[in-house]
Amino acid sequence: KQEVTQIPAALSVPEGENLVLNCSFTDSAIYNLQWFRQDPGKGLTSLLLIQSSQREQTSGRLNASLDKSSGRSTLYIAASQPGDSATYLCAVSGGNQFYFGTGTSLTVIP
Amino acid sequence: DTAVSQTPKYLVTQMGNDKSIKCEQNLGHDTMYWYKQDSKKFLKIMFSYNNKELIINETVPNRFSPKSPDKAHLNLHINSLELGDSAVYFCASSQVRSSYNEQFFGPGTRLTVL
Repeated sequence: KQEVTQIPAALSVPEGENLVLNCSFTDSAIYNLQWFRQDPGKGLTSLLLIQSSQREQTSGRLNASLDKSSGRSTLYIAASQPGDSATYLCAVSGGNQFYFGTGTSLTVIP
Repeated sequence: DTAVSQTPKYLVTQMGNDKSIKCEQNLGHDTMYWYKQDSKKFLKIMFSYNNKELIINETVPNRFSPKSPDKAHLNLHINSLELGDSAVYFCASSQVRSSYNEQFFGPGTRLTVL
């Protein structure tokens, strides 16, 4: 069964720093990998989706990479802002099934 | 125009009651899901329906019964509510037939069982 792990569980950085969030998965037979953001008391907002044939996706200050063979994905956030503070979740898709990581809680200090 | 909507947003009820949560998506997706997010924020899939057909049914007590009247709706009915059912329940949808298969989530329903 697919297991998804995110490290670190929590991260606190000063505003303006570049940072990397990590996601690892045990089964490389995935269809795609999706990064989400969850604000306190809110639902999940899709940030980026990388299909299994792709290596990376970019949206604004966000860049997500995927290395299927090593079972890893990273989410790079450039020039972090206080508004980036949230929990970031990765999910891998095996067709009909989605497996979620445990999340990284990010705090960007002004 | 909300893509995935859920009602109610908050639900507070006594142990032993029966309650329902409704979900609707207007994205034309073929698959809908119910997830439970516990107090530690871990998201676990409960059910998945593709074109009104149940395709994923994780180890969930049979007090939980999903119902999909059509492709755009997936409701969750819970019988004999227990304290441990308190959590946030999220509905989601995706187009599995698309290679993209991006999931979209509803705002969640916070269920509190007293």
